[in-house]
Amino acid sequence: QSALTQPASVSGSPGQSITISCTGTNNDIGSHNLVSWYQQHPDKAPKLIIYEVNNRPSGVSNRYSGSKSGNTASLTISGLQAEDESDYYCCSYGGRGTYVVFGGGTKLTVL
Amino acid sequence: EVQLVESGGGFIQPGGSLRLSCAASGFTFSSYWMHWVRQAPGKGLEWVSRISGDGSSTSHADSVKGRFTISRDNAKNTLFLQMNSLRAEDTAVYYCARGSGYYGDFDYWGQGTLVTASS
Repeated sequence: QSALTQPASVSGSPGQSITISCTGTNNDIGSHNLVSWYQQHPDKAPKLIIYEVNNRPSGVSNRYSGSKSGNTASLTISGLQAEDESDYYCCSYGGRGTYVVFGGGTKLTVL
Repeated sequence: EVQLVESGGGFIQPGGSLRLSCAASGFTFSSYWMHWVRQAPGKGLEWVSRISGDGSSTSHADSVKGRFTISRDNAKNTLFLQMNSLRAEDTAVYYCARGSGYYGDFDYWGQGTLVTASS
């Protein structure tokens, strides 16, 4: 199974918006609306922040939003706050035989 | 409150075996797909295995196929991962996670258990 492609790092200033991309293939992101995003702070378990492309679980800030175009999914965080500094992972259903595939992760730095 | 608590990790020599457990509470365990996801030190997340709510369907990543086996005991609300023929590259924190379905959407995670395969 091949990992989805994410930028290694992104940064932004408090109050700004940033977008993290996640590029897959026709077999995973391009074929299924089953993309999720996870936030992981150091030495903590991941936390689900977006599911099925653009849905937020209860309790997750509406500053987080997701979208998809073709083989690329995106996570946008608006109104950056210091607490958003973390690692972010995308995930997609990969279809029969590939099952579930993660991106390599993106480290977000709030300047 | 949903809780997932892993146990069974530890230090093991390459070629050895280990069995991880994940005790679930706070939800109807048998109604959910359950997954194992691992994270090597300083690396990203890697999906490992999944099992259906009734245990009839299982899948494994190519990297562990033939060596790892996922199973569950719904009477005891417990998920397992039997790990055989361990390799150095299996060294990781292993998380159990509840999935909304077979495809992922991991809405609850355990705290993880560290497996170290080294001579």
